[in-house]
Amino acid sequence: GAGVSQSPSNKVTEKGKDVELRCDPISGHTALYWYRQRLGQGLEFLIYFQGNSAPDKSGLPSDRFSAERTGESVSTLTIQRTQQEDSAVYLCASSQSGIRRNEQFFGPGTRLTVL
Amino acid sequence: LAKTTQPISMDSYEGQEVNITCSHNNIATNDYITWYQQFPSQGPRFIIQGYKTKVTNEVASLFIPADRKSSTLSLPRVSLSDTAVYYCLVGPHGSSNTGKLIFGQGTTLQVKP
Repeated sequence: GAGVSQSPSNKVTEKGKDVELRCDPISGHTALYWYRQRLGQGLEFLIYFQGNSAPDKSGLPSDRFSAERTGESVSTLTIQRTQQEDSAVYLCASSQSGIRRNEQFFGPGTRLTVL
Repeated sequence: LAKTTQPISMDSYEGQEVNITCSHNNIATNDYITWYQQFPSQGPRFIIQGYKTKVTNEVASLFIPADRKSSTLSLPRVSLSDTAVYYCLVGPHGSSNTGKLIFGQGTTLQVKP
């Protein structure tokens, strides 16, 4: 079946503009994650959705970042008033619940460049 | 969440066995140990997960001592295509309320011909 897909693959924007990134998880995966990876760095956790539970937003770096998920499907990550420091690859992952939850399947990422 | 420590980089040659050790002194009783592999310009890929003793799959083996304060990922007979960053993560699964996994800096493995 299809893997995790993300769109757009690349996004170039001007400082101060808002951007919206989309993630389509694997069908049937109840958990969905967003990460940020700056050039040459490790992954930085942003937010985690699990079913109908309240999301874990503890990794969002500022109130300019927000994310939503529709049921157990599509998720969007929104960055308002983008700054140059937001430039990074934004990765989405999904997983099953239970013992398989730590086996996350990653999308190809969205490369965001803020000029 | 338990913090992990692993070497920043390692070099190896084709055909050799590579062992990457990760320290996680504060691992909790309900934590599992998970390893991921990441190639340039790609998202990470799950390699293996374990709780104790030894786990083996078609890609790697994971050795976990009785105290679980460390773990070793073993890659048999590496090839050039195994050049990647390897991440060790520790975190709960299943009924735990949080799904957060902390990816550190990882270990950059360079396999040479």
